[in-house]
Amino acid sequence: GAVVSQHPSRVICKSGTSVKIECRSLDFQATTMFWYRQFPKKSLMLMATSNEGSKATYEQGVEKDKFLINHASLTLSTLTVTSAHPEDSSFYICSARKTGNYGYTFGSGTRLTVV
Amino acid sequence: SQQGEEDPQALSIQEGENATMNCSYKTSINNLQWYRQNSGRGLVHLILIRSNEREKHSGRLRVTLDTSKKSSSLLITASRAADTASYFCATDANQAGTALIFGKGTTLSVSS
Repeated sequence: GAVVSQHPSRVICKSGTSVKIECRSLDFQATTMFWYRQFPKKSLMLMATSNEGSKATYEQGVEKDKFLINHASLTLSTLTVTSAHPEDSSFYICSARKTGNYGYTFGSGTRLTVV
Repeated sequence: SQQGEEDPQALSIQEGENATMNCSYKTSINNLQWYRQNSGRGLVHLILIRSNEREKHSGRLRVTLDTSKKSSSLLITASRAADTASYFCATDANQAGTALIFGKGTTLSVSS
């Protein structure tokens, strides 16, 4: 089956630093990956759609300069939270869609805590 | 962006009882999916129902879909303490490059 590996699972960083989260499709190619953010006791909010070889598409209200997305290959998308602040503390989850297929596979999530 | 509401937002029941959660959405869909999430953990896919289906079963799960009302329900029968989790519906427009859009979720608590 389709597997998406997301790392790290947990990260604590100091305010003002940057954090990179990786999302890899292990056994399939994904031209499109999605990044979600989830605050405590809330639902998943779509942040952006990551397209291999092109710029990401951000949802309204999501700062593209703060949440840098790179999808350099068909198996890897990264989300970098730049100049992180405590309000960026959240659970970030990626999802990949297999090329030519409409099934979605989710990573296990990254718990980011900014202190 | 989110599709719509789920109700109830929170549900507390006893083991053995049935739990029903409802989901409404706003746009046209190709399919609707239900996911479970234990506290602080990742998503577990439960069931998918296509837009041309009205009801689907999987074990103790029963999902209905009413496209005319843009709503779906998830029924968990004979609930167990292990069913305690948050449940989300997610809609798929089935257009290339589109993401699953999640509802607000129902938090289910099953006590023994």
